[in-house]
Amino acid sequence: RKEVEQDPGPFNVPEGATVAFNCTYSNSASQSFFWYRQDCRKEPKLLMSVYSSGNEDGRFTAQLNRASQYISLLIRDSKLSDSATYLCVVPWMDSSYKLIFGSGTRLLVRP
Amino acid sequence: DTGVSQNPRHKITKRGQNVTFRCDPISEHNRLYWYRQTLGQGPEFLTYFQNEAQLEKSRLLSDRFSAERPKGSFSTLEIQRTEQGDSAMYLCASSGTVKGYTFGSGTRLTVV
Repeated sequence: RKEVEQDPGPFNVPEGATVAFNCTYSNSASQSFFWYRQDCRKEPKLLMSVYSSGNEDGRFTAQLNRASQYISLLIRDSKLSDSATYLCVVPWMDSSYKLIFGSGTRLLVRP
Repeated sequence: DTGVSQNPRHKITKRGQNVTFRCDPISEHNRLYWYRQTLGQGPEFLTYFQNEAQLEKSRLLSDRFSAERPKGSFSTLEIQRTEQGDSAMYLCASSGTVKGYTFGSGTRLTVV
C-alpha cells in the first residue's frame, strides 16, 4: 500500500460547483497533514494545513478523519482559477521535515 | 527576490552526459531538500541537508547522483551518465519548519 493515496481524477466540474477530494494515508501515527496546490509545470505551493479535526479558509475546507486515516479537501463555489492539481502531503514522522506526497488529484473547472 | 532560485530552468542533454543543477535557498533556512517529480506523480524525496551536512539520502538516489551544499549556502545536484529514466522535474526546497517549505520553480531535465 502506498503511504499516501489519492484519486488522480480528473474532476471536471462547472464553475460554482462544490467538489471534494479524499486522500488516505498509511501511517496511523501521523499528526499533521497538508494540501498543496500545483499548477501545470509549476512548483507545489502550500494551500492549507490540516491539524486535529480540520481547517477552513474561505471557500476551502480540509477535514481529518483519524479513525479511517483519510483527509478531505472541499472546494465550494469553484472558480476557473481553481483548476490545478491538488497534492495531499504527510510529513515523515521524524525530525527531517521531509514530505511524502500523494500523486495528486487534477481538477478542471469549466465555464 | 527572497524565494528559492533554481538554475537552469530547463536542461536537454544526451544520454550518457553529466548534468549539474544549482539551488539557492532562502538565506534564513538551514534545511535544503531535493525532490524529483515525474509526469502524473507527486514529488519524491531524494535528499536533504541541514546546513552543510547531508543527513539523509533516499534509495532513489543511485550512485550516479551526488549532492553537495558547501558552506551551508547553495546546493548542487549532479547526475552522471544520464539515462532516459532520469528525465523529470528536479525540485529544490528550503525550510526552517515543516510548515515553512518553499519550493523553487524546478529544473526540468530531458534526456534524449
